[in-house]
Amino acid sequence: AQSVTQLDSQVPVFEEAPVELRCNYSSSVSVYLFWYVQYPNQGLQLLLKYLSGSTLVKGINGFEAEFNKSQTSFHLRKPSVHISDTAEYFCAVTTQGGSEKLVFGKGTKLTVNP
Amino acid sequence: EPEVTQTPSHQVTQMGQEVILRCVPISNHLYFYWYRQILGQKVEFLVSFYNNEISEKSEIFDDQFSVERPDGSNFTLKIRSTKLEDSAMYFCASSLGLAGGGQETQYFGPGTRLLVL
Repeated sequence: AQSVTQLDSQVPVFEEAPVELRCNYSSSVSVYLFWYVQYPNQGLQLLLKYLSGSTLVKGINGFEAEFNKSQTSFHLRKPSVHISDTAEYFCAVTTQGGSEKLVFGKGTKLTVNP
Repeated sequence: EPEVTQTPSHQVTQMGQEVILRCVPISNHLYFYWYRQILGQKVEFLVSFYNNEISEKSEIFDDQFSVERPDGSNFTLKIRSTKLEDSAMYFCASSLGLAGGGQETQYFGPGTRLLVL
């Protein structure tokens, strides 16, 4: 079975500061990796995903993530955050060649302060 | 931009009552899903639906749950006899269903918050 751990439940940062949201996964088979964002009163929206190829993946709104197979990590980064990035961020995996089921982490609440 | 919609946004019900949560997936999508998030816990997969049948379900999805695509646009989740522990946010999602094998982007609705009293 797969599992996803997001170590930080809350991350407060100041506007224009860099941020890293951590995600580690556990799986006995190869996985695909996803980051979703949930703004208040909205559904989950895909930020980016890693399927194969370059381990550095760029997504929407200036976010990027790096897949590290040896450390089983897929940390999300942004060099300079805005107030509008305040949201909850979810890391998720599916198994390659397996089901469509997304397995989620508990989420990280990012709060960007002025 | 097409989006997944869900109704109602909030539902309050008494324990033992039946509830139906409704979703309208993106129109050209073929794969449909229900997930739920109990307050303070992870988003959990409940069921996936493809070609008018359940393709996968979790251990949470027991006999009190059912899904249906009653027409060409709606996708519903029915809970026959609600329990207190069914209180959660329920998310519907859909995907194109072409690539398969876990690669697909799933598009989520805004959720229905269900409270069972």
